[in-house]
Amino acid sequence: GAGVSQSPSNKVTEKGKDVELRCDPISGHTALYWYRQSLGQGLEFLIYFQGNSAPDKSGLPSDRFSAERTGGSVSTLTIQRTQQEDSAVYLCASSQAASGKIYEQYFGPGTRLTVT
Amino acid sequence: AQSVTQLGSHVSVSEGALVLLRCNYSSSVPPYLFWYVQYPNQGLQLLLKYTTGATLVKGINGFEAEFKKSETSFHLTKPSAHMSDAAEYFCAVSGGNNDMRFGAGTRLTVKP
Repeated sequence: GAGVSQSPSNKVTEKGKDVELRCDPISGHTALYWYRQSLGQGLEFLIYFQGNSAPDKSGLPSDRFSAERTGGSVSTLTIQRTQQEDSAVYLCASSQAASGKIYEQYFGPGTRLTVT
Repeated sequence: AQSVTQLGSHVSVSEGALVLLRCNYSSSVPPYLFWYVQYPNQGLQLLLKYTTGATLVKGINGFEAEFKKSETSFHLTKPSAHMSDAAEYFCAVSGGNNDMRFGAGTRLTVKP
């Protein structure tokens, strides 16, 4: 079946502009995650959705970052007034979810964001 | 809270040599442990995972890892490296509440 898809694959934007990154999870996966991968920094957790709600927003680096998920499916990560330090690869992952159980996270190919 | 430390951001081995990638974790609850691999310009894919039961876990492509509670470690090994193993490897830990946290990654280079 189809995996996690992300769009766009690459985005170049000017400092100060807003950007929206999209994630389409695997059908039926109720949990959705956003991570940021910066050079040499590993994967930085940003936010986790269970259905449409976000019980864990602890990783969002500033109030310029927000995310939403509608219909328990597609999610959008928005970065307002982008800064050069926002340049990174933004990864989305989805998984089945059940309390007390651990399921594998399936990752999308990422969106490479470059802020000039 | 959970966290992971991967020792060595870069590891280089010769083709046919042993691969050893080190991972130590911190967790306030019994951990679930994972290794993911990321090939160039691709997303992450699961290599193997430890949840409960046998502490030696076998994964894809000949990799295995052993959970050692006394050492809080989950090192990844492969007896004989292939050129195709060159990639970035990430260790991750979860406490069981969709709270997975990743290490900084180790880039594996395989020399001919």
